[in-house]
Amino acid sequence: QKEVEQNSGPLSVPEGAIASLNCTYSDRGSQSFFWYRQYSGKSPELIMSIYSNGDKEDGRFTAQLNKASQYVSLLIRDSQPSDSATYLCAVRGGGYQKVTFGTGTKLQVIP
Amino acid sequence: DGGITQSPKYLFRKEGQNVTLSCEQNLNHDAMYWYRQDPGQGLRLIYYSQIVNDFQKGDIAEGYSVSREKKESFPLTVTSAQKNPTAFYLCASSMRWGGDTGELFFGEGSRLTVL
Repeated sequence: QKEVEQNSGPLSVPEGAIASLNCTYSDRGSQSFFWYRQYSGKSPELIMSIYSNGDKEDGRFTAQLNKASQYVSLLIRDSQPSDSATYLCAVRGGGYQKVTFGTGTKLQVIP
Repeated sequence: DGGITQSPKYLFRKEGQNVTLSCEQNLNHDAMYWYRQDPGQGLRLIYYSQIVNDFQKGDIAEGYSVSREKKESFPLTVTSAQKNPTAFYLCASSMRWGGDTGELFFGEGSRLTVL
């Protein structure tokens, strides 16, 4: 079982719609959860971090964490063509605190 | 401006050669990381360091070596033992290695091609 799993996509949504991206992780001791956006050929950019169960909102982005289900999600409201990118889920585990990334979900926002 | 600087951005290597990728940060971050990304794939951890003069192997350390002699610097050497080194290499750093913070911030990456 992979430590951090994401559906590779592509996930296609029309402009203005809500995009929902999902991630599951295997280490129950994980403490910190991150969402990164990566444009083609560029380095990842942090867009959201979440540490406790529930929702965290920042502008058009909402991160949701459910530690009991080992599940993290990212909602993007009012999706824009500029949101088209690959979204990487990352999890910081216990112990030596290494950060493990999923393989990413490619999002396409259709004008 | 604070940030992470990787150099070179593009590097070509002949088979059998060692190459060193530079990573410097002026964010006063404790921890630094090296990841490798292959086309269409996620990031895989090569090495990480939480403090000067200490580092740990990640998931794919074979054929790579690192040093952490200064807090600001974490160079990665890709040795001739690495069988498939062509990839996009990303250096990152984080402010804390304990507790519930520690977001990773990335440099712009170094793209290595073996000829």
